[in-house]
Amino acid sequence: GAVVSQHPSRVICKSGTSVKIECRSLDFQATTMFWYRQFPKQSLMLMATSNEGSKATYEQGVEKDKFLINHASLTLSTLTVTSAHPEDSSFYICSARSPRQIYEQYFGPGTRLTVT
Amino acid sequence: GQNIDQPTEMTATEGAIVQINCTYQTSGFNGLFWYQQHAGEAPTFLSYNVLDGLEEKGRFSSFLSRSKGYSYLLLKELQMKDSASYLCAPMDSNYQLIWGAGTKLIIKP
Repeated sequence: GAVVSQHPSRVICKSGTSVKIECRSLDFQATTMFWYRQFPKQSLMLMATSNEGSKATYEQGVEKDKFLINHASLTLSTLTVTSAHPEDSSFYICSARSPRQIYEQYFGPGTRLTVT
Repeated sequence: GQNIDQPTEMTATEGAIVQINCTYQTSGFNGLFWYQQHAGEAPTFLSYNVLDGLEEKGRFSSFLSRSKGYSYLLLKELQMKDSASYLCAPMDSNYQLIWGAGTKLIIKP
């Protein structure tokens, strides 16, 4: 089956610093990747959709200058949380979609971000 | 608008059967997914229904009625490891998954 990895799995950073999270599709080419955020006991919230080689499409209310997304290759997308604040502490999950199977998203294991 | 309605929490006994219901409203429809999510982990795929009817896969079955905007997930022979949140996620006309808060299922011995 299709495998998606995320790195790091957990990260703790100080307020005001930036953190980069990587999402990789290991055995397929992902033309589309999705970034989600999930707060405790809440639903997954789609932050943005990124297509390889083009700018990401951000959902309403998500600051594109704060959450920088780069999808430079067919197997890698990165999310950079800039000038992180404690309220950015959350579980960040990426998913990837193959052009061959438009109906299915393959999820990464998630990244737990804690901003102190 | 788009919305998902599922019970917040359900409790069932080990070895029993439980049905988790989901009603939805979406802009267009391209099928409905059920995911399982254990605490602190990402969702894992359980089932996908695009046509009306029942899809069976081992201990888990999923049902869809498109005209009623209704689906359910049926879990049989419950095991303690089935304690998790179950997410109903229809796919809209833009192939985006619409997420609700999910149903937290608690299994008791």
